[in-house]
Amino acid sequence: GENVEQHPSTLSVQEGDSAVIKCTYSDSASNYFPWYKQELGKRPQLIIDIRSNVGEKKDQRIAVTLNKTAKHFSLHITETQPEDSAVYFCAHGGYQKVTFGTGTKLQVIP
Amino acid sequence: GAGVSQSPSNKVTEKGKDVELRCDPISGHTALYWYRQSLGQGLEFLIYFQGNSAPDKSGLPSDRFSAERTGGSVSTLTIQRTQQEDSAVYLCASSLGRGWEETQYFGPGTRLLVL
Repeated sequence: GENVEQHPSTLSVQEGDSAVIKCTYSDSASNYFPWYKQELGKRPQLIIDIRSNVGEKKDQRIAVTLNKTAKHFSLHITETQPEDSAVYFCAHGGYQKVTFGTGTKLQVIP
Repeated sequence: GAGVSQSPSNKVTEKGKDVELRCDPISGHTALYWYRQSLGQGLEFLIYFQGNSAPDKSGLPSDRFSAERTGGSVSTLTIQRTQQEDSAVYLCASSLGRGWEETQYFGPGTRLLVL
């Protein structure tokens, strides 16, 4: 199947701490792994993505790691700020439909 | 340029009525997707259009749901005989259409409330 499990469903961190969200998938054909951020009342927007030919990608305070053998990928946010508070969705796909995770509500406490 | 737009932004209807939701994708994007997001929940895939190919309707929850895309641009999602469980935010997204490995740009959504 094309299921993707995302954990945790909610996450609270102190401002400045790191946050990690993990997703596992079952479809071995998946080779594209995007992450979307959805602020309250707004539309989801892509923040970072990774393809299966690399194991890690970083963009400022955000990084994504991929372990294709174990079929899991993670989002890492360092030095969290209040504006990082949002719902984060992982997704995976290839030449099939993209499947989204159930989301993680991140709250950064000032 | 302009992003993905959707209309109406909000729709309140009575149970049993039909509704039409509209999506205008980004100009030049050949791929278009519809998702449903219930309150506090994830993104539920509904349907996918790619160019002139037959749409992937595998996510439509029942035969009350249908969608079309005229001229490869604007799309309309129709829900017939609405039920209360249809209440949700309906999101449309578009992408360039070279494949699934590309960024999806979401519209602001239509918030549907069925009374």
